[in-house]
Amino acid sequence: TQLLEQSPQFLSIQEGENLTVYCNSSSVFSSLQWYRQEPGEGPVLLVTVVTGGEVKKLKRLTFQFGDARKDSSLHITAAQPGDTGLYLCAGISGTYKYIFGTGTRLKVLA
Amino acid sequence: GAVVSQHPSRVICKSGTSVKIECRSLDFQATTMFWYRQFPKQSLMLMATSNEGSKATYEQGVEKDKFLINHASLTLSTLTVTSAHPEDSSFYICSARGPPLGGPINEQFFGPGTRLTVL
Repeated sequence: TQLLEQSPQFLSIQEGENLTVYCNSSSVFSSLQWYRQEPGEGPVLLVTVVTGGEVKKLKRLTFQFGDARKDSSLHITAAQPGDTGLYLCAGISGTYKYIFGTGTRLKVLA
Repeated sequence: GAVVSQHPSRVICKSGTSVKIECRSLDFQATTMFWYRQFPKQSLMLMATSNEGSKATYEQGVEKDKFLINHASLTLSTLTVTSAHPEDSSFYICSARGPPLGGPINEQFFGPGTRLTVL
């Protein structure tokens, strides 16, 4: 069974701080996505990474896919209250099935 | 971009009744739809994969007689929770995937979710 472990599970930080969320697996994925989900809503896609070692930036968010395509990280610079939410990574297998990570709940305090 | 809707967004029912949740792809044809379940403060758990015109494939531990899935058209899949009980209360999310786009990614587009509360 493919598993995606995210760390930390919970994170509460002050506005302006930086943070990194990790997504780790023992399995190789063809690609990996990061989502943010607000309470009572569906997940919203932030980014897709495909190539091992790939780095993508989305404003203050930086995403990296591990060289072996087994892990990924999400770094947020100067976090803002609007970044609050549940962050989910999702590994995509060759059969296009999505395996979601365990989730990281982020709270940014003003 | 591709839009997926779910109906209803919220439903409350009595124990023992059945509840049907609809998932529609509004502007594309979805050959495959997925149903997920999410418990409070937890991640999404894949329940089943539904291909248009064929039987759904259920993940291990998901009762197919409990969670009936029908994917009768390229734009509609339904999940029926039969004889619902309080432990079935959860947030149910569907996603839809269209025909292969030719690229490395076969993206899923997620619906807004349906919150089911069984009293």
